[in-house]
Amino acid sequence: AQSVTQPDIHITVSEGASLELRCNYSYGATPYLFWYVQSPGQGLQLLLKYFSGDTLVQGIKGFEAEFKRSQSSFNLRKPSVHWSDAAEYFCAVGGYNKLIFGAGTRLAVHP
Amino acid sequence: DAGVTQSPTHLIKTRGQQVTLRCSPISGHKSVSWYQQVLGQGPQFIFQYYEKEERGRGNFPDRFSARQFPNYSSELNVNALLLGDSALYLCASRSVPGLAGRGTDTQYFGPGTRLTVL
Repeated sequence: AQSVTQPDIHITVSEGASLELRCNYSYGATPYLFWYVQSPGQGLQLLLKYFSGDTLVQGIKGFEAEFKRSQSSFNLRKPSVHWSDAAEYFCAVGGYNKLIFGAGTRLAVHP
Repeated sequence: DAGVTQSPTHLIKTRGQQVTLRCSPISGHKSVSWYQQVLGQGPQFIFQYYEKEERGRGNFPDRFSARQFPNYSSELNVNALLLGDSALYLCASRSVPGLAGRGTDTQYFGPGTRLTVL
């Protein structure tokens, strides 16, 4: 079955600290992977995507993610978190006509 | 360029009523998908439409239906509303579904319609 697991429901970091959000997927074929961010009351904004090639992908707002096939993971990272990064983050795997999302990780940032 | 737009922003209905939500895709995008996001969960796929035809359906009851118009805008209809239908309904557009059977192009999401069923 196709699925996405985000093991951390909530994460709290201090401003300026590094961040890693975990994502594990189950997919029968080569996965197309995405990270989206959602601010309160807003829709989803694409941070980055992986289709093929270099397994380390760069996104907007200083985010990056690394695809590790052997671990079925696509973890999101940022070296220094800003207060404006507080939001909910969703990992998704893409198929022909739909995205399958994880349950999300809510990020809180302490000043 | 304008992004994906959805209307209305918020909607309050009572159980048993019917609701219609609207979506306008990004100019040039021919595919529209609908997702339901219940509070505290990730979005769940409901439908995909391309060139006015349904190309995919998620695990939702027949009370949910949709259609796509010649200008590629779309409507999502939900009949006989239940309390559990309360959610944020998201519309996403992309230029065209993956021609080789994989949706490689990016889906762009609208701000959503918040539906509350009382």
